[in-house]
Amino acid sequence: LAKTTQPISMDSYEGQEVNITCSHNNIATNDYITWYQQFPSQGPRFIIQGYKTKVTNEVASLFIPADRKSSTLSLPRVSLSDTAVYYCLVGDEGAAGNKLTFGGGTRVLVKP
Amino acid sequence: GAVVSQHPSRVICKSGTSVKIECRSLDFQATTMFWYRQFPKQSLMLMATSNEGSKATYEQGVEKDKFLINHASLTLSTLTVTSAHPEDSSFYICSARGLAGLPSTDTQYFGPGTRLTVL
Repeated sequence: LAKTTQPISMDSYEGQEVNITCSHNNIATNDYITWYQQFPSQGPRFIIQGYKTKVTNEVASLFIPADRKSSTLSLPRVSLSDTAVYYCLVGDEGAAGNKLTFGGGTRVLVKP
Repeated sequence: GAVVSQHPSRVICKSGTSVKIECRSLDFQATTMFWYRQFPKQSLMLMATSNEGSKATYEQGVEKDKFLINHASLTLSTLTVTSAHPEDSSFYICSARGLAGLPSTDTQYFGPGTRLTVL
C-alpha cells in the first residue's frame, strides 16, 4: 500500500481557497487517489477521487501531476463549515478486498 | 445514493458485557465491508475486512475472538465486541464498497460511526 504524507494542519480564512498537497511517492500503476473529509464524531465523507490530471466536482478539485507522486486537493472559497480533517488515501480499490490505510490527515481550521 | 448506516450511534455498557454494532448499506449491495476504530484525536485504524459469506480478515494485533464480525448479506455486517472492557471504548466506523458500477467499486462509503463507552 502506498504511504501518504500530508501537512498536519492548515489555517485559512473564510472565502479563501485552500490547497492541501499529499505526497505518495510509491504509488502503484493501478492506484487511485481518494480524498475524504471527516468532522468530529462522524464517519469520513467522500470528497473526490482521481487517477491522473484534473478532476472537478461540485465540492472540490483534484490536481494530479503526470508522475502521480503527489496530488493537491483544492477547496474553493472555504466557509467555517469546512473546518475538518482531510485525508488523502491511495490504493487499488478496484482489487477485490483491497483496503484503505489512513494516514494522519490534515486538520484544516477556517477562521472568520 | 451510497448511504451507509450504523446502529446504534452511541452505546454505554458495563465492563464484561458484549455489544453488537450493525452496519447497513441502504441503497446498494456491498461486496466488501470494513471495520475501523478511531481513538480521540487519532486517525482511523482498520480492524478487519469482511466479504459477504466468508470469514473476515483481521489486521495484525486485532483479536478475532474479541471482535466478532459477521457479514451475513450484501447489505449487512455486524461487529460484536465481546466481554468489553474500558480500553475498548472508542469510535467504531464501518465502510462499504459496492458491486461493479453500483456505485463505483473504486470507492468506500463510510457509516456515521458508533461511540462505544465501556464503564
